Amino acid sequence: GAGVSQTPSNKVTEKGKYVELRCDPISGHTALYWYRQSLGQGPEFLIYFQGTGAADDSGLPNDRFFAVRPEGSVSTLKIQRTERGDSAVYLCASALVATETQYFGPGTRLLVL
Amino acid sequence: KQEVTQIPAALSVPEGENLVLNCSFTDSAIYNLQWFRQDPGKGLTSLLLIQSSQREQTSGRLNASLDKSSGRSTLYIAASQPGDSATYLCAVCRMDSSYKLIFGSGTRLLVRP
Repeated sequence: GAGVSQTPSNKVTEKGKYVELRCDPISGHTALYWYRQSLGQGPEFLIYFQGTGAADDSGLPNDRFFAVRPEGSVSTLKIQRTERGDSAVYLCASALVATETQYFGPGTRLLVL
Repeated sequence: KQEVTQIPAALSVPEGENLVLNCSFTDSAIYNLQWFRQDPGKGLTSLLLIQSSQREQTSGRLNASLDKSSGRSTLYIAASQPGDSATYLCAVCRMDSSYKLIFGSGTRLLVRP
């Protein structure tokens, strides 16, 4: 079956612009996670959705970052007023429920010039 | 705060060698521990998952052990092959409401033909 997909695969933007990153989880998975991976580092947790609600957003670095999952499937990570330090690979993962294995998408590589 | 450390950061070995990758974590209250493989520019592939009540898991040439009391895990790769070249990431799953993954920075492995 289809895995987790993320679009776009690459995004180049200018400092100060707004970007949206999309995640399509595996069908039927209720748990969805966003992570951010900087060069040479492991992924860092950003936010966790259980169904439609953000159950844990403790990893969001500041209020420029926001994510939604309005119908409990597709999720969008939104970054306002992008900064060069936001450049990273943004990974999405989904799980049947939070206690089950997380399956990762290929990531979106964001470059802020 | 849970911290995950991986040693060594990089490793280069000739084909055929057996090798051990190390992972340590500071908080033993974990739900499970996973080893992932990441190829350049790609997402994460789960290799082995060890539940907190287990001591080890095996898959093919891979064997992962877990010593929760000492906060350590090892990934053993037998008879390494050039195709094993990748970054190997260790992640602990926190035992909280989100079951988020906390990653180490990874070990970059190069297996020389």
